[in-house]
Amino acid sequence: KQEVTQIPAALSVPEGENLVLNCSFTDSAIYNLQWFRQDPGKGLTSLLLIQSSQREQTSGRLNASLDKSSGRSTLYIAASQPGDSATYLCAVAVGFQKLVFGTGTRLLVSP
Amino acid sequence: EAGVAQSPRYKIIEKRQSVAFWCNPISGHATLYWYQQILGQGPKLLIQFQNNGVVDDSQLPKDRFSAERLKGVDSTLKIQPAKLEDSAVYLCASSLVIAGTGNEQFFGPGTRLTVL
Repeated sequence: KQEVTQIPAALSVPEGENLVLNCSFTDSAIYNLQWFRQDPGKGLTSLLLIQSSQREQTSGRLNASLDKSSGRSTLYIAASQPGDSATYLCAVAVGFQKLVFGTGTRLLVSP
Repeated sequence: EAGVAQSPRYKIIEKRQSVAFWCNPISGHATLYWYQQILGQGPKLLIQFQNNGVVDDSQLPKDRFSAERLKGVDSTLKIQPAKLEDSAVYLCASSLVIAGTGNEQFFGPGTRLTVL
């Protein structure tokens, strides 16, 4: 059974810092890995999707890497801003491409 | 392009009552998902449809939960009777079907259910 773990559970940083969020999964048989952002009371916004054959994806200040063999992914956020404050969820697509989610990292960026 | 639509956004009911949620996916998306997100946890898949057929409902509590997607477009999720532990956000998502690749899922705003 696939399990997804995210570390740390919560993170508080001052504005401008570069930061790394970690995601690990137990079964390397995945279709893809997605990083999402969730604001309080809102749905999920897709940030980056990495196919199983890819190593990384970049979008603006965000960079996500995937190491399938070790069951790990990282989300790197450069020059953090208060608007980046949210919960970040990692999910892997398995089986019929259903997503198995981690419990998320709650990020607070203070001005 | 319009996103995934869900209604209602909020619902408060007493235990043992019934409730229904509605989802309209992105136009052209054949696959539709319902997830349950309990406070402090990641979303958990309840049921996955491809067109109007069920692909995966292994985690759907079938004694009280039901879902349908009769015309392969919009979908309803029903709970009857509701229990206190059903308090959660119910998220609907949709995706295209592209053979050989992992498909990006797009999520609606969710319905927050409180069972008293």
